[in-house]
Amino acid sequence: GEDVEQSLFLSVREGDSSVINCTYTDSSSTYLYWYKQEPGAGLQLLTYIFSNMDMKQDQRLTVLLNKKDKHLSLRIADTQTGDSAIYFCAESINNQGGKLIFGQGTELSVKP
Amino acid sequence: DGGITQSPKYLFRKEGQNVTLSCEQNLNHDAMYWYRQDPGQGLRLIYYSQIVNDFQKGDIAEGYSVSREKKESFPLTVTSAQKNPTAFYLCASGKGANSPLHFGNGTRLTVT
Repeated sequence: GEDVEQSLFLSVREGDSSVINCTYTDSSSTYLYWYKQEPGAGLQLLTYIFSNMDMKQDQRLTVLLNKKDKHLSLRIADTQTGDSAIYFCAESINNQGGKLIFGQGTELSVKP
Repeated sequence: DGGITQSPKYLFRKEGQNVTLSCEQNLNHDAMYWYRQDPGQGLRLIYYSQIVNDFQKGDIAEGYSVSREKKESFPLTVTSAQKNPTAFYLCASGKGANSPLHFGNGTRLTVT
């Protein structure tokens, strides 16, 4: 079945890079997404990558996809205290009506 | 500005009462989704609808009901049959398969 796994917590110092990792099981994933959730709010789409790409860069964000190992990562360069939030990875599966399968979320804590 | 509106932000109910959560979008999206979020468990899909007057059960549909009479609206009813209804409920919409989902700001339901 479909499953998406993330580690639950990550703590970094302000100015360092953060790397949030995600693994998924379904090889028919078409797109993989990263969302950010601040306390008490909905999910904000950060970036996404098509499954035939290896890397996507968008300002401070770099997404790496290793399709062979079914591993996705999100790197945030020069992490700021405003980046503290929960980060979710999600996959969309072909022929599944557009629904997304989410990981448990990684809580990123940025210390000054 | 286009977006998804969930109301109310906080909702309190007594056990045994049905309650309806509102979700409206003006993004002209065909597909709409309801997810439930519990701490440490990520997002779980309750119901989704790809087109008006049609909807499908997600992974945890028991104790919930939905309707999709208009493209813009996808209300969720939490019935008294739902054993553990206290949670954060998120509504989302999208263009359909292989497109990102856009989320509302959520409704926090507390049942005592």
